Amino acid sequence: GENVEQHPSTLSVQEGDSAVIKCTYSDSASNYFPWYKQELGKRPQLIIDIRSNVGEKKDQRIAVTLNKTAKHFSLHITETQPEDSAVYFCAKERGSQGNLIFGKGTKLSVKP
Amino acid sequence: DAGVIQSPRHEVTEMGQEVTLRCKPISGHNSLFWYRQTMMRGLELLIYFNNNVPIDDSGMPEDRFSAKMPNASFSTLKIQPSEPRDSAVYFCASSPLRGPYEQYFGPGTRLTVT
Repeated sequence: GENVEQHPSTLSVQEGDSAVIKCTYSDSASNYFPWYKQELGKRPQLIIDIRSNVGEKKDQRIAVTLNKTAKHFSLHITETQPEDSAVYFCAKERGSQGNLIFGKGTKLSVKP
Repeated sequence: DAGVIQSPRHEVTEMGQEVTLRCKPISGHNSLFWYRQTMMRGLELLIYFNNNVPIDDSGMPEDRFSAKMPNASFSTLKIQPSEPRDSAVYFCASSPLRGPYEQYFGPGTRLTVT
């Protein structure tokens, strides 16, 4: 069935370094790829998303890239700060049904 | 906008008891989703509704779980009888029916079944 593989499961970086999280998927029908950030004890919150008609989208220190041919998309965080520490989830639209499939999450730790 | 509202925020109950979780979606959103989050299984979709109609309940773990959406502004997730393995955080999310499908999550209900 459809699934989303997310790597790495944990990531530790020094403050100021960049962090990259990658996700791959198996089907070709999806057109919407959001990323969520979940701080400890909080709800997942949408931080950025990309649609299949573009290859890259940037919002300040975060960017997402999409390669539909290779079926993978990535989250890039530059100049990381301690407050970026959280679990990040990638997701993709499940076909055209309007719901999402989530990756297993990446726990990012930014050390000051 | 108050966002997605869930109640209660915390629930502690004994095994065998009935548990009812409640959700009010964002006004104007026509899709509503119930998720369960655990360390072992991550974020799992249990069921979702479009225009108050259940579309996909294949994620509901067993017959002990049931969900209803009697109107556009209210949904319930019921567990009867509850078991310790049901302990998790349950999130409700809503989104517009027509794309793009940004989902907005509620604060969650932390359920502990002893």
